[in-house]
Amino acid sequence: NAGVTQTPKFRVLKTGQSMTLLCAQDMNHEYMYWYRQDPGMGLRLIHYSVGEGTTAKGEVPDGYNVSRLKKQNFLLGLESAAPSQTSVYFCASNPRGQTYEQYFGPGTRLTVT
Amino acid sequence: GNSVTQMEGPVTLSEEAFLTINCTYTATGYPSLFWYVQYPGEGLQLLLKATKADDKGSNKGFEATYRKETTSFHLEKGSVQVSDSAVYFCALSVPPRRLAFGKGNQVVVIP
Repeated sequence: NAGVTQTPKFRVLKTGQSMTLLCAQDMNHEYMYWYRQDPGMGLRLIHYSVGEGTTAKGEVPDGYNVSRLKKQNFLLGLESAAPSQTSVYFCASNPRGQTYEQYFGPGTRLTVT
Repeated sequence: GNSVTQMEGPVTLSEEAFLTINCTYTATGYPSLFWYVQYPGEGLQLLLKATKADDKGSNKGFEATYRKETTSFHLEKGSVQVSDSAVYFCALSVPPRRLAFGKGNQVVVIP
């Protein structure tokens, strides 16, 4: 099992450009999450999904959109990138059941100039 | 709301020293508590967890006890190694199916 994978690993965007980050998991997990990690801020939840076809806003959703068309994939979109979106983005997944344990991908480092 | 507070600032210590990282929480109900570790250039991975009061989570020599009376889940290790250098995050469960993370503590172990 590859676990949780993220594509791409690194990306540099100019202000106003758009891009999509892809998260894929092969563990048949029901729940998926997108976080951003900034120095001194810990991890902040952007959006999450409780199942295929459903999404919900987290703490910092502005400027981002998401889609979960297939159970194994969770896409994060930036329609018009801003320098404030320079960050490291992590995807995570969580299985159905009683556990809240989340499994994380390796991250995508995004720089917006 | 549910939140986690970790002690401020990085932690620098010598190899074989005792490590403590403080974590306190605010929550309604009875959350599960977690410690995650992030090695340089990697994603977070679960280090240990506890699901009810007085439970002790342990893994790789690290321990933390779920203390409801002090709303704490402090992480400890008796003798750290250089390979323990990483960022450590405390987290608690937030219904439905979310985690709230502390800001993390950078731990640097010097040979």
